[in-house]
Amino acid sequence: DAKTTQPNSMESNEEEPVHLPCNHSTISGTDYIHWYRQLPSQGPEYVIHGLTSNVNNRMASLAIAEDRKSSTLILHRATLRDAAVYYCNRAPAGGYQKVTFGTGTKLQVIP
Amino acid sequence: EPEVTQTPSHQVTQMGQEVILRCVPISNHLYFYWYRQILGQKVEFLVSFYNNEISEKSEIFDDQFSVERPDGSNFTLKIRSTKLEDSAMYFCASRPGRAGQGRWETQYFGPGTRLLVL
Repeated sequence: DAKTTQPNSMESNEEEPVHLPCNHSTISGTDYIHWYRQLPSQGPEYVIHGLTSNVNNRMASLAIAEDRKSSTLILHRATLRDAAVYYCNRAPAGGYQKVTFGTGTKLQVIP
Repeated sequence: EPEVTQTPSHQVTQMGQEVILRCVPISNHLYFYWYRQILGQKVEFLVSFYNNEISEKSEIFDDQFSVERPDGSNFTLKIRSTKLEDSAMYFCASRPGRAGQGRWETQYFGPGTRLLVL
């Protein structure tokens, strides 16, 4: 039970922005929101994480709703290398924090 | 950036044989994990390991599985008597777990070992 909800698949044209939504309506006040992705035939890799404020890094941006019940991963310019399954995960700070993977969103990037 | 490494990348074994999958987590990380992914399915948590003991395990992680950190650098997953349904990709992950050490809440995954049980 990943306790998050994501669309099964999305498509984007190359070099256009992509907004990948995630619903985590039962999130607690201390849970972080993590995004991982899995490129074909590779292990999962970290993308970004946040708690309350929007976050930016070299890979993506994370927009977190004010009530924290949803978030959006933003890829500013999708490339063919961004084609992957994207997983949204919530995890409490500290502790052993296994990552519970749902089915994720399979992003297809169209050249 | 430091990486988690896993060996071998592929392993083929006969049903009933023992296999040991090896992982070298990132140095100074404190938390270690094994996951598996059966072909076409989602990634599933197997076990987490901290302070030289199992901290959590899933229903999949039965008596046929064991983990060990024998020398402070390697982290191994042993399957004592493999079954056909153990065929999967096995991922090792580690996490810093200490505030101030980079992305301390984030797990770093290895490239995986593809296990095929015949």
